[in-house]
Order: sequence, then structure tokens, then C-alpha cells
Amino acid sequence: ETGVTQSPTHLIKTRGQQVTLRCSSQSGHNTVSWYQQALGQGPQFIFQYYREEENGRGNFPPRFSGLQFPNYSSELNVNALELDDSALYLCASSSVRGGDYNEQFFGPGTRLTVL
Amino acid sequence: GDSVTQMEGPVTLSEEAFLTINCTYTATGYPSLFWYVQYPGEGLQLLLKATKADDKGSNKGFEATYRKETTSFHLEKGSVQVSDSAVYFCALGSIQGAQKLVFGQGTRLTINP
Repeated sequence: ETGVTQSPTHLIKTRGQQVTLRCSSQSGHNTVSWYQQALGQGPQFIFQYYREEENGRGNFPPRFSGLQFPNYSSELNVNALELDDSALYLCASSSVRGGDYNEQFFGPGTRLTVL
Repeated sequence: GDSVTQMEGPVTLSEEAFLTINCTYTATGYPSLFWYVQYPGEGLQLLLKATKADDKGSNKGFEATYRKETTSFHLEKGSVQVSDSAVYFCALGSIQGAQKLVFGQGTRLTINP
């Protein structure tokens, strides 16, 4: 069974640029969630994708957007990068069946540095 | 909304000392509770979990008990090792809006030999 994978591992961008981060979910999972972890902080929920649609969003501006593909993999896109976007971006997959919370499994993360 | 408050760090202990990291939560209903660990330069690893009141999660000598009456989920270990040095995050599984994890701010633990 393959776990959650993310690419790239590290990325350096400059202010104003756009970035795309990728995530492959664990086999059998249908939902992908993205989190931002700033240095010294706990991860913050960005949004979740289920059945290729956004299924909930945290307190992040619209320049953070995403996609989910038919194979349940996902992309996180960030436009007009700002210095504060520098963080570790974590992807987590789960098998949402409704009702109670279903455990999420995390990938290793992509570290984004904005200069 | 749902929230988690963790004991502020950093925490520095000597090897074989007793560890407690406090965690309290505010949530609607009775969420699942988790402790995650993050080693330097790595992603998050699930350390232990509890899904209902009075459940005790345990793994690698760490334990935490889901206390509904005090809305707490404190992490404990009887004898820490240098290899336990990491950042520890308490989290709850929220179903407000989307199924997501709500994390505390993390506690950095350093164990000295």
C-alpha cells in the first residue's frame, strides 16, 4: 500500500510568482486536505477536496486554490505569492464516509520559501 | 469554533525524566483526539489517538487519556529518551464544515543525555 506522496520536496519562489504543489493520496482514499504550517506554528487547515470539489475551506484568501483529479490526487495552487506564504505545506488523505471524523494520513510535505 | 490549547514550550528534560505535555480543547460534541509528532525536517506522524471519552491512547511508551469532564488530553511518558526530542502537536478531529484536524501550536521537547 502506497502512502501519501508530495512533490516537490522543496521550492523557492519570489514574491508575486505562482506555485503549484502536488499530492498523491493513499490507495483507497477519496479525500485530500491541505494544511499550511508556518515556522514554529501548528498546521492550519487550508481546504479539502472530495469528489473533485472543494468540500470546506479554512481562513485563507482566494489566491489559494486547488484541484482534485479523478484518481483522487490533488494540486494546491497559490497565486501572487507573499513572503508570509513561506511554510511547510502538508497534504493529508482520508476515506470520508460521512458522520464521525475519519483519520487523515499525512505526506512528508513541501517546503516553500518565498523571497 | 473548535480549538486546541497546548502547553507552551520549549520543554527541556534530562533522559529518563517523566514527561507531561498539557492539552485542552474546546469543541462541539465529542471529537476524536490525537497527538502527532514531528521530527526535525520531517512531516507529521500520528503518535496516538482516542476516539471517545475515557479512552486511553498509547504508543512507544507515550499515553494520553481522553477526559471529557476536563476537556483534556495530556500526553505523558514515564521515562523519556534522547530520541524523543521532537515537536509534539495535540489535535482534534473536527466535523464543522469539513472533516479536518484542528491543531495546537506545538510543544518543542528536547531531551538531554
